[in-house]
Amino acid sequence: DAGVIQSPRHEVTEMGQEVTLRCKPISGHNSLFWYRQTMMRGLELLIYFNNNVPIDDSGMPEDRFSAKMPNASFSTLKIQPSEPRDSAVYFCASSFIWQTDRGDTQYFGPGTRLTVL
Amino acid sequence: AQSVTQLGSHVSVSEGALVLLRCNYSSSVPPYLFWYVQYPNQGLQLLLKYTSAATLVKGINGFEAEFKKSETSFHLTKPSAHMSDAAEYFCAVKGGKLIFGQGTELSVKP
Repeated sequence: DAGVIQSPRHEVTEMGQEVTLRCKPISGHNSLFWYRQTMMRGLELLIYFNNNVPIDDSGMPEDRFSAKMPNASFSTLKIQPSEPRDSAVYFCASSFIWQTDRGDTQYFGPGTRLTVL
Repeated sequence: AQSVTQLGSHVSVSEGALVLLRCNYSSSVPPYLFWYVQYPNQGLQLLLKYTSAATLVKGINGFEAEFKKSETSFHLTKPSAHMSDAAEYFCAVKGGKLIFGQGTELSVKP
């Protein structure tokens, strides 16, 4: 079975440009998560969706970041305009369903390494 | 609120030696606990998880972890380290979201 698919794997852009990261969750999973990983801050949850609906976006750093999930098999994370401090590895993860009383596993994609010059 | 603390940002062992990576958690409710491994330039992969069944949890690649409520710990062990175990390991507790520790980098010396 295909795991979580992310594209692109690497992205180099210049400050001020728009960046769009893409994610395809595992088929049949109903929850999707976007994380950012940096040396300084470790793994941070940016936003997560249940059944295509954003549930918690409290980790989104600022208005420059936006995420959408138009259907169960696709999500995007957009940064506009990008800044050098956005340089990080961005992971997408999915799980069957994310609920308080369940211990479902989150399955991670390979990540997108973003460099903003 | 839930939280995890991983003791030691870097652990070095010799090949064939015991691996012990420490994780302590804080949770106001019975926790769900996870260990993930991250190899260089890859995503996180689940090693094992505790979901209130058996307190000793066996995972992939010969790893296991024991849930100790009295010590609020969920330490990860492997009896004999292999060179391929060199990676970063993350402990996590489930709250409203998955809360990760800062990670422990495991080095294995030949």
